[in-house]
Amino acid sequence: EIVMTQSPATLSVSPGERATLSCRASQSVSSKLAWYQHKPGQAPRLLIYGASDRATGIPARFSGSGSGTEFTLTISSLQSEDFAVYYCQQYNNWPPYTFGQGTKLEIK
Amino acid sequence: VQLVQSGAEVKKPGESLRISCKGSGYSFTNYWINWVRQMPGKGLEWMGKIYPSDSYTNYSPSFQGHVTISADKSISTAYLQWSSLKASDTAIYYCARQVYCGDDCSTDFDYWGPGTLVTVSS
Repeated sequence: EIVMTQSPATLSVSPGERATLSCRASQSVSSKLAWYQHKPGQAPRLLIYGASDRATGIPARFSGSGSGTEFTLTISSLQSEDFAVYYCQQYNNWPPYTFGQGTKLEIK
Repeated sequence: VQLVQSGAEVKKPGESLRISCKGSGYSFTNYWINWVRQMPGKGLEWMGKIYPSDSYTNYSPSFQGHVTISADKSISTAYLQWSSLKASDTAIYYCARQVYCGDDCSTDFDYWGPGTLVTVSS
């Protein structure tokens, strides 16, 4: 099973600033890496697939990079609606698909 | 695309339960439906998936034998069921759609349901 490790667990950032979230895989997942945004009481939302492709309707301030074992999600200028928990997920080696433990992005 | 999940459930240990996920706005039989667990205060765990066209299933080793995933393609609905619930099954359960790209490839989960809260308590 591939273990996904996200850092930091909590990130405090002011609105308008940049946020950088990291995700590391225990072995290569190629570019089969997705990022999801999850707000309490809501369905998770796909942001990034294929490590760097934005999903339909996702604003350009969200960008993903990386391949192999190291990945980054960058939010260029934080808006109030961006404060949420973010999960990475690998879909290269399955079963099982595995998620990181999440990064909580909170308002500083 | 919409995935509509059944409502919250409160059950006692040992009881059985089936929760549902109804897809609309797309061809239900041409996409996988996955089930994902979120225990209180924890992250996301993949449980398994079903291809409604032929009801082929694939389970996470962690959940194999503990739950059953099924689907009724005539009503575009997938199910997750337990025969004997435990307190540790208390969680939110999400269904999520996944594009079918062949037997040897895999994709992201592009649409998710809002979740069903299952509480198991004596």
